[in-house]
Amino acid sequence: GAVVSQHPSRVICKSGTSVKIECRSLDFQATTMFWYRQFPKQSLMLMATSNEGSKATYEQGVEKDKFLINHASLTLSTLTVTSAHPEDSSFYICSARKNPGTDQVATNEKLFFGSGTQLSVL
Amino acid sequence: GNSVTQMEGPVTLSEEAFLTINCTYTATGYPSLFWYVQYPGEGLQLLLKATKADDKGSNKGFEATYRKETTSFHLEKGSVQVSDSAVYFCALSDDQAGTALIFGKGTTLSVSS
Repeated sequence: GAVVSQHPSRVICKSGTSVKIECRSLDFQATTMFWYRQFPKQSLMLMATSNEGSKATYEQGVEKDKFLINHASLTLSTLTVTSAHPEDSSFYICSARKNPGTDQVATNEKLFFGSGTQLSVL
Repeated sequence: GNSVTQMEGPVTLSEEAFLTINCTYTATGYPSLFWYVQYPGEGLQLLLKATKADDKGSNKGFEATYRKETTSFHLEKGSVQVSDSAVYFCALSDDQAGTALIFGKGTTLSVSS
């Protein structure tokens, strides 16, 4: 089945440093990837939609200069938390929407998730 | 806007008990509905889905029926196992708009032997 690899699974960093999280689709291509943030006992909140070769679309209230997203290839999207602060500590999850076959439309039925990254900022 | 409301957990059951996790939604148009499961230390996995009213999704003994009249998509299983212990998320998708999934808060299920 389709596999999405997210790395690292856990990271601890000092306040003020930057952290990069990678999301790779291992056996399929994904023009579109999504980045979510999850607080304990809360829902997954969509942060941004990442499209290969173009700028990411950020949800309202998400600082694009703080959460830098790069989607340079059809199999890799990265999220960089810049100048991290303790309030950025959270669980970050990526998902990749598998590109459809010829003459088909991409749907969220072909959406695959990474295992998440637990970020702790001291 | 679109939203999903899920029953609060945790839900604690004994093995072979009947499970229901309630999910209701608010949406314009005709969304697709999903249940995802997250086992400890793993990513979310699609459990089942339904794309139109009265559709029933089923997988691994779990079922959910898309009820447009009550805007619900409740998850049920007749006899749970210890291995079903996980967090379950209800979600909706507006595929015509091509937007991301919208999730409920998740319900933690704990099954004891």
